[in-house]
Amino acid sequence: AAGVIQSPRHLIKEKRETATLKCYPIPRHDTVYWYQQGPGQDPQFLISFYEKMQSDKGSIPDRFSAQQFSDYHSELNMSSLELGDSALYFCASSLGRQNSPLHFGNGTRLTVT
Amino acid sequence: GESVGLHLPTLSVQEGDNSIINCAYSNSASDYFIWYKQESGKGPQFIIDIRSNMDKRQGQRVTVLLNKTVKHLSLQIAATQPGDSAVYFCAEIMNSGYSTLTFGKGTMLLVSP
Repeated sequence: AAGVIQSPRHLIKEKRETATLKCYPIPRHDTVYWYQQGPGQDPQFLISFYEKMQSDKGSIPDRFSAQQFSDYHSELNMSSLELGDSALYFCASSLGRQNSPLHFGNGTRLTVT
Repeated sequence: GESVGLHLPTLSVQEGDNSIINCAYSNSASDYFIWYKQESGKGPQFIIDIRSNMDKRQGQRVTVLLNKTVKHLSLQIAATQPGDSAVYFCAEIMNSGYSTLTFGKGTMLLVSP
C-alpha cells in the first residue's frame, strides 16, 4: 500500500539558510500534518492543512511557513535556520479531519551547522 | 514541549513475555486515542486506536485498555518478539472538530531473545 512520501530524507544546511521539505500524502488523503521531533522527544505538532486550507496551528515558529497544493502535497518552508531547528520533521496524512488515524512518513532529518 | 532528552522510560522484557506499556493522557476532553510504534530512523507507525466510548479494543497480539476515570491508557503486547523493540507513543485527539494529534512521552521497549 502506498505510504506518505517525504523528501529529502536528509538535509544539511548552515545557519541562516533556508530549507524546503516536501510531503506527498497517501492517495485520496485530504489532510496533511507536520510534526517536529527532537532527539529522545515526542513529536511536536507544527501545522496542518485540510483541503488546501490551514486547519490548525501548533508550535510552528514564525520563520517557518507551509502550504498544501492542489494535488494535496505539502511543503514546509524554513528560513533563517538556527541550530535548534536540527530535528526530524515528519509529515502525516489522514482521510478527513475528524478522528481519523494519522499515517506518518519516514521523515526528513534536518541538520543545521 | 518539555524536554525529556535521551532518557526515555524503558521496559525490558524477554522474548515470549507479555508486555504492558502505560500512558497517562492529559486532556479529559480527548475522545480518540492511538498507539504508535516508532523504530529508529522511521516515522511513527499506527498500531491500534480506541474511541472514548470503549474501554478495551483488541488487535492482532495487541490490546488497548482505556480508563477515562484516571485518564490512563495501556498497550498490552502478547508474546513479545524482538521485532517489537521500538519506542511506543500514545497519542490523543480532542473532539474539537478537527484532528490535532498530541503525543505523550514515549516508552522504549527492549525485547531480548
